[in-house]
Amino acid sequence: KNEVEQSPQNLTAQEGEFITINCSYSVGISALHWLQQHPGGGIVSLFMLSSGKKKHGRLIATINIQEKHSSLHITASHPRDSAVYICAVIPRRNTDKLIFGTGTRLQVFP
Amino acid sequence: NAGVTQTPKFRVLKTGQSMTLLCAQDMNHEYMYWYRQDPGMGLRLIHYSVGEGTTAKGEVPDGYNVSRLKKQNFLLGLESAAPSQTSVYFCASRRQGFDGYTFGSGTRLTVV
Repeated sequence: KNEVEQSPQNLTAQEGEFITINCSYSVGISALHWLQQHPGGGIVSLFMLSSGKKKHGRLIATINIQEKHSSLHITASHPRDSAVYICAVIPRRNTDKLIFGTGTRLQVFP
Repeated sequence: NAGVTQTPKFRVLKTGQSMTLLCAQDMNHEYMYWYRQDPGMGLRLIHYSVGEGTTAKGEVPDGYNVSRLKKQNFLLGLESAAPSQTSVYFCASRRQGFDGYTFGSGTRLTVV
């Protein structure tokens, strides 16, 4: 079983819809990252959080340390949001490294 | 401000050939990483470095070597390429502490 699980694996939405991507992890962590990867493109860090909630534009990330769960929300989705979203955790046992989920592929149609 | 730059962006190798991938960062970051990304799998750590002159093995180090002679550069070498090393390779860097990672744009390597 992977230490970081994301759901769903694939997600399609109509433009304007509210989107939620979930990440569950089984290890104690120091922090969690949400990353975005466009098709054929590089990887961009969206958020790093260790508690509570962060917001940047239409993106909101939340984390519940007790439940070992994080969510990434996209409000008023747009076709340019189509990408793979990757959750990655910094495990407390070794803060030099990241453990990655396998990603959620999002397609937003006009 | 270039961030993390990877060269080359694409490469095709024949089995048994060698090559070096270069990662350069201009942010004075202490930590640097090499990952590979394969379909259906999360990014996997090949090797990493916590400072100039240091390197350490990650999850999948076999068949790769690395060097960090200068703080800004992290080189990934394949001595004898194999088809199983066909992948997209990403370099990343970060400062010391719980800080965000900066990723390069990737190198798509095909070994035939």
